[in-house]
Amino acid sequence: GENVEQHPSTLSVQEGDSAVIKCTYSDSASNYFPWYKQELGKRPQLIIDIRSNVGEKKDQRIAVTLNKTAKHFSLHITETQPEDSAVYFCAASKAYAGNMLTFGGGTRLMVKP
Amino acid sequence: GAGVSQTPSNKVTEKGKYVELRCDPISGHTALYWYRQSLGQGPEFLIYFQGTGAADDSGLPNDRFFAVRPEGSVSTLKIQRTERGDSAVYLCASSLTQGNHYGYTFGSGTRLTVV
Repeated sequence: GENVEQHPSTLSVQEGDSAVIKCTYSDSASNYFPWYKQELGKRPQLIIDIRSNVGEKKDQRIAVTLNKTAKHFSLHITETQPEDSAVYFCAASKAYAGNMLTFGGGTRLMVKP
Repeated sequence: GAGVSQTPSNKVTEKGKYVELRCDPISGHTALYWYRQSLGQGPEFLIYFQGTGAADDSGLPNDRFFAVRPEGSVSTLKIQRTERGDSAVYLCASSLTQGNHYGYTFGSGTRLTVV
């Protein structure tokens, strides 16, 4: 089955700096890669996603890049703000096969004001 | 409804007891998923429904776990003879699966504590 590894497990940055979180996946058939943000005690919320026919996607301060050959994808947050502090999860799925997601272990991002 | 609704939000039960967790998906979402999230970890897949049928239950850890969705809307996750290791947040999600829409909407979860 699919295995998703996520690094780092914790990341501390100064407000205004950039943050990068990286994930690798094992199943070359995976074709859908969402990122979720989870604040303490809250539900995971989809913040951005990318499909395997695209190499990069951007939405304001966040962007995701995908390297299918290397089987890795990354989340980039620019101009970080204290409200970006949360746990971020990457995930992978074969969207044509029911879209069951395999999640990474999460990254706790702390943005210091 | 406007979002995925899960009840109860918290459940404390004694070891060996039976529990039911309920999920009410977004109206019109045909796909429904159950995940389990242990402290400090990412959600782990349990079971997926497409309509009324369980399309994939490969994530259920053992036969103490069972889920139903009899009318293709509300789903119930049932756990028999609960064990302390079942303590976790149980998350439900729903999505549209037609066209190019794959994004999930998660509910707030049920925090199950087995004492």
